[in-house]
Amino acid sequence: DGGITQSPKYLFRKEGQNVTLSCEQNLNHDAMYWYRQDPGQGLRLIYYSQIVNDFQKGDIAEGYSVSREKKESFPLTVTSAQKNPTAFYLCASSMGSGAHNDEQYFGPGTRLTVT
Amino acid sequence: AQKITQTQPGMFVQEKEAVTLDCTYDTSDQSYGLFWYKQPSSGEMIFLIYQGSYDEQNATEGRYSLNFQKARKSANLVISASQLGDSAMYFCAMRGGLSTGNQFYFGTGTSLTVIP
Repeated sequence: DGGITQSPKYLFRKEGQNVTLSCEQNLNHDAMYWYRQDPGQGLRLIYYSQIVNDFQKGDIAEGYSVSREKKESFPLTVTSAQKNPTAFYLCASSMGSGAHNDEQYFGPGTRLTVT
Repeated sequence: AQKITQTQPGMFVQEKEAVTLDCTYDTSDQSYGLFWYKQPSSGEMIFLIYQGSYDEQNATEGRYSLNFQKARKSANLVISASQLGDSAMYFCAMRGGLSTGNQFYFGTGTSLTVIP
């Protein structure tokens, strides 16, 4: 089955540690995205990538880093510089055609708790 | 600036009744796309329906329809014959045009509870 996988579903870390969230897709999509969701809020864009080896900052990129070395993979690192990292993180992908009906497909999400 | 507004934080509907979830948007782009997603308690975002800014007909997908009023910049989701499984968060989203790098913008969501 084609889709997006994120692992793990729940992640616990101590403050001051960097942590990497994985995102893999087998949909052959060019574009991939990372969002953060806090309670009572919508999704906020952290980073996105429209092609391998290229990515752009979203609205809340500070304290995060990404890489896009393979088409299928777009890992997100939450660094110790992120002031409030506890949140639900969603990865998404799309064909990347730029067409307005190019919907995003989402993974199941990773809930990160930092104490 | 692109903005999506969902003014109903929570809604209740009786099973088998219809419900409308409101969404207004703001954009200076002439061409854009509007989406609705459902987020059950499991967290995954499920695509429901899409409306293009130049589409003349309102989009429909099974029990879901989108009441698109371009002049008013509204894109309300109508769910007919509500089912218990419809209880979830619902997000309105817009894909902007070239001026925004084709980014997606999401509203804050509406929590829908279907009452038996």
